[in-house]
Amino acid sequence: DADVTQTPRNRITKTGKRIMLECSQTKGHDRMYWYRQDPGLGLRLIYYSFDVKDINKGEISDGYSVSRQAQAKFSLSLESAIPNQTALYFCATSLRGLNEQFFGPGTRLTVL
Amino acid sequence: DAKTTQPNSMESNEEEPVHLPCNHSTISGTDYIHWYRQLPSQGPEYVIHGLTSNVNNRMASLAIAEDRKSSTLILHRATLRDAAVYYCILKNGRGYSTLTFGKGTMLLVSP
Repeated sequence: DADVTQTPRNRITKTGKRIMLECSQTKGHDRMYWYRQDPGLGLRLIYYSFDVKDINKGEISDGYSVSRQAQAKFSLSLESAIPNQTALYFCATSLRGLNEQFFGPGTRLTVL
Repeated sequence: DAKTTQPNSMESNEEEPVHLPCNHSTISGTDYIHWYRQLPSQGPEYVIHGLTSNVNNRMASLAIAEDRKSSTLILHRATLRDAAVYYCILKNGRGYSTLTFGKGTMLLVSP
């Protein structure tokens, strides 16, 4: 079973729609992250959370919001999706004191 | 954050060693050197990290220059499954730092 799961895996939506991407983990990690990846580019950090009460903006947070509902769940929302938010979105987790981040399988989002 | 420079792509033959270079001339004393790789259609996965000394694990070896301004990820015997984008990332040793990905090096492995 996957330790970091993302739902949905693929989503096609229209401009202006509200979209929520969900991430769940069974690793018991306290830290969670949301990244986006555009074709041919590396990952860029959107938001991150070092514990349930801690939310921080990353490099490209405009147009996105997040919610850390529990230690194991971290959701990314696009309040009003636009075409340039079409991308591959990855969730990741890590444990304080350890260096490794563990990534989910990704969500491919297309905004028409 | 200090930046890294990697070649856009490299090619290797199966079962041969691969040396993936990374330059980080502005590295600070508290920056760790991390390597991740991203296989096709997957999320990135951790490969190895180090501070000053060379490091070995089951996946690869990391050779760090004495002045720490460059490093090399070494795959001892490339397999087809090692074809991926390899990212060299500097991460500050402070507990609250994050990863900043560049474009990485795409490694092509031929049979």
